[in-house]
Amino acid sequence: ETGVTQTPRHLVMGMTNKKSLKCEQHLGHNAMYWYKQSAKKPLELMFVYNFKEQTENNSVPSRFSPECPNSSHLFLHLHTLQPEDSALYLCASSQDPTGLNGYTFGSGTRLTVV
Amino acid sequence: GQNIDQPTEMTATEGAIVQINCTYQTSGFNGLFWYQQHAGEAPTFLSYNVLDGLEEKGRFSSFLSRSKGYSYLLLKELQMKDSASYLCAVLDSNYQLIWGAGTKLIIKP
Repeated sequence: ETGVTQTPRHLVMGMTNKKSLKCEQHLGHNAMYWYKQSAKKPLELMFVYNFKEQTENNSVPSRFSPECPNSSHLFLHLHTLQPEDSALYLCASSQDPTGLNGYTFGSGTRLTVV
Repeated sequence: GQNIDQPTEMTATEGAIVQINCTYQTSGFNGLFWYQQHAGEAPTFLSYNVLDGLEEKGRFSSFLSRSKGYSYLLLKELQMKDSASYLCAVLDSNYQLIWGAGTKLIIKP
């Protein structure tokens, strides 16, 4: 257990489904991140939240919708996904948005879109 | 553009030493991280270098040369549990982490 918890660990969804990924941290960190990890490719930053405010949205399609109700929780709402969206979705947190103290990652949600 | 290069896969023998290289070209530099990621698990922090030189932490050491845009992770006395992917990442001038694709390390008995 790293201090960042993600649920579910695995998710299979159809292209017309709506689902949500959940991330929770109780490390007292102020920044939270969503990353997409595909095989043999670098981690792709999707969204950044700093003190609950979204500060980065790296040209992510609108079928991915983040939500940060408080500094401990982060959600990623999914709808009408495509098969190419199948990947490992990692949540991370850092003490502050500079990331100088490193990131703490969750174990990820393995998403398969069928 | 910004770029991090590291080998895709390496194989080494239990008990031996392996060096995983990382070269980078980024907009500014605020430090370089190495993370370890076992299959199906979270990446975990290994090291952070911001000044040139070697940082040693047990069996793992990390080296940085800012002038060459180069780092390596050195793993000594390899154990089977060291089989994992090793991710190199650079914090750029905007404090955004730029990631390499990772090096999958296979340890053979």
